[in-house]
Amino acid sequence: EPEVTQTPSHQVTQMGQEVILRCVPISNHLYFYWYRQILGQKVEFLVSFYNNEISEKSEIFDDQFSVERPDGSNFTLKIRSTKLEDSAMYFCASSETGGENSPLHFGNGTRLTVT
Amino acid sequence: AQKITQTQPGMFVQEKEAVTLDCTYDTSDQSYGLFWYKQPSSGEMIFLIYQGSYDEQNATEGRYSLNFQKARKSANLVISASQLGDSAMYFCAMKLNQAGTALIFGKGTTLSVSS
Repeated sequence: EPEVTQTPSHQVTQMGQEVILRCVPISNHLYFYWYRQILGQKVEFLVSFYNNEISEKSEIFDDQFSVERPDGSNFTLKIRSTKLEDSAMYFCASSETGGENSPLHFGNGTRLTVT
Repeated sequence: AQKITQTQPGMFVQEKEAVTLDCTYDTSDQSYGLFWYKQPSSGEMIFLIYQGSYDEQNATEGRYSLNFQKARKSANLVISASQLGDSAMYFCAMKLNQAGTALIFGKGTTLSVSS
């Protein structure tokens, strides 16, 4: 069964450094998403992406964050200058059509630790 | 704005018993989708079951069924014949009928299955 893949599985970085989290969505899916989950807490929406544009973003997704689809397969989340509070599990997801009946399929996540 | 409420932080059940995980939602939209995801201790997010707001029949997927009561705005997950491997965090989520909009999650319920 096709799956969403994320790399790396763990990333440790120092405060103020830039990080790029990578994702390969399911190949025939059109909508891509990033979520984050601070340890043991709620799963929070960051951004959705379609046709090389942001569809929707949350208040969390401020100027420190950006997303890109640099080629036909990868989807990346960049955090420009990491803060301690950015430490979380970051999930990439993709959806076939983006509609209300189209489930999001999640990758296994990247655990980001900012020291 | 839409909201998902899961009032049970933790639930305990014995193997082979059935368990119901509660979920209520709030939206003024008429067209929406309701989803349940499972998050084992390993961290991945696994899609379990989907119910559309216009579906008249309750969704079922193997041992999972969704008890959808539209007038009460509830979408409870029923797991029949619990297994030890069902121990995990379970999230209820909702998506409106607009392509690319966020899937909004509840806070989750931790299910513990004992032998």
